[in-house]
Amino acid sequence: GAGVSQSPSNKVTEKGKDVELRCDPISGHTALYWYRQSLGQGLEFLIYFQGNSAPDKSGLPSDRFSAERTGGSVSTLTIQRTQQEDSAVYLCASSLGSGSLQETQYFGPGTRLLVL
Amino acid sequence: AQTVTQSQPEMSVQEAETVTLSCTYDTSENNYYLFWYKQPPSRQMILVIRQEAYKQQNATENRFSVNFQKAAKSFSLKISDSQLGDTAMYFCAFMKIDGYALNFGKGTSLLVTP
Repeated sequence: GAGVSQSPSNKVTEKGKDVELRCDPISGHTALYWYRQSLGQGLEFLIYFQGNSAPDKSGLPSDRFSAERTGGSVSTLTIQRTQQEDSAVYLCASSLGSGSLQETQYFGPGTRLLVL
Repeated sequence: AQTVTQSQPEMSVQEAETVTLSCTYDTSENNYYLFWYKQPPSRQMILVIRQEAYKQQNATENRFSVNFQKAAKSFSLKISDSQLGDTAMYFCAFMKIDGYALNFGKGTSLLVTP
């Protein structure tokens, strides 16, 4: 079946603008994760969803970042008032969420965000 | 917090040869999971191999195998019979046994040459 998809693939925006990044998980996967990959910080965990709820938002770097998930499927990561340090690749992953601690996280191709 | 260290930013190997990528980690946990992910230029992270810390036997997946040394907190990846398609960034990652967030190292860029 189809893997995790993310859109847009690339996004260029001006400093101060808001952006929305979208993630479509694998059908039937109840767990969803957002990570950020930047040159300076490497790969960082941002947020985890189980169904529509986010039990762990500890990785969100500031209150300009928010995420939601509706219908237990699509998730949107929103960055308000973007700053140049927000430039990075934003990766989404999903897993079955069956409770198995050995679940594999399947990643999407990411969205490359460039803030000018 | 757990830290994952990959001390080799870049490595190169000739086709058909064997290469070993290093990974060390720091944790106070006794049970956990370790992973190697591959990220080709397409950016998509692909799971290569996974190891459960409570298993003494080293995991293997075809040409990929690990050398897991729990006491030394070391988790190296061996790629045998390297292929051009193995060219990619390789990330070592740690997950607590009751966790869900992957904690990644900085990565090793592997180039396989003809």
